[in-house]
Amino acid sequence: DTAVSQTPKYLVTQMGNDKSIKCEQNLGHDTMYWYKQDSKKFLKIMFSYNNKELIINETVPNRFSPKSPDKAHLNLHINSLELGDSAVYFCASSQNDGSYIQYFGAGTRLSVL
Amino acid sequence: KQEVTQIPAALSVPEGENLVLNCSFTDSAIYNLQWFRQDPGKGLTSLLLIQSSQREQTSGRLNASLDKSSGRSTLYIAASQPGDSATYLCAVLQGAQKLVFGQGTRLTINP
Repeated sequence: DTAVSQTPKYLVTQMGNDKSIKCEQNLGHDTMYWYKQDSKKFLKIMFSYNNKELIINETVPNRFSPKSPDKAHLNLHINSLELGDSAVYFCASSQNDGSYIQYFGAGTRLSVL
Repeated sequence: KQEVTQIPAALSVPEGENLVLNCSFTDSAIYNLQWFRQDPGKGLTSLLLIQSSQREQTSGRLNASLDKSSGRSTLYIAASQPGDSATYLCAVLQGAQKLVFGQGTRLTINP
């Protein structure tokens, strides 16, 4: 059973489109995250949610909007996609137990043409 | 602003060798430091986590050390195997559970 699952695994779309990436974790964790890994393989945090509340919002264009319907899900919606949005997006989750170990999904490779 | 640097960017060694990967960070106010492994097309797997109060952690052939005051960590891999080939990422945890990553070391173990 996959602990942190993301869909889709690959997403190819045209500039200007709106797309969503879904993330679900079955670990019972309280906190979920979205990271972006660019073409140089640099991983940077975008957002984190704790019990459906936004706690980290890095300098991300407001075309990106996370949505957390419940604490097991954190979806990422992107409006008006641009070429520079092409990257691998990773979802992660962690428990607030002092260890703060983050468990990552397999990633969604987004290609904007 | 926290910056994490990993050296070298890439490393290629013959099977069986012991090797060391380096990680440095600019702000010592961290909760912990994690080493991850990333295989091509896959997510990240946590290898070792060192709390800020600890000096080292070991798991099998892996040993990670932390010197918080000097802002350095090393990942030691003993008796390397071809299956160890992957990108190794170092990350430090700051307030609000924010992980700051280095750019990784791409490791190739040659049979």
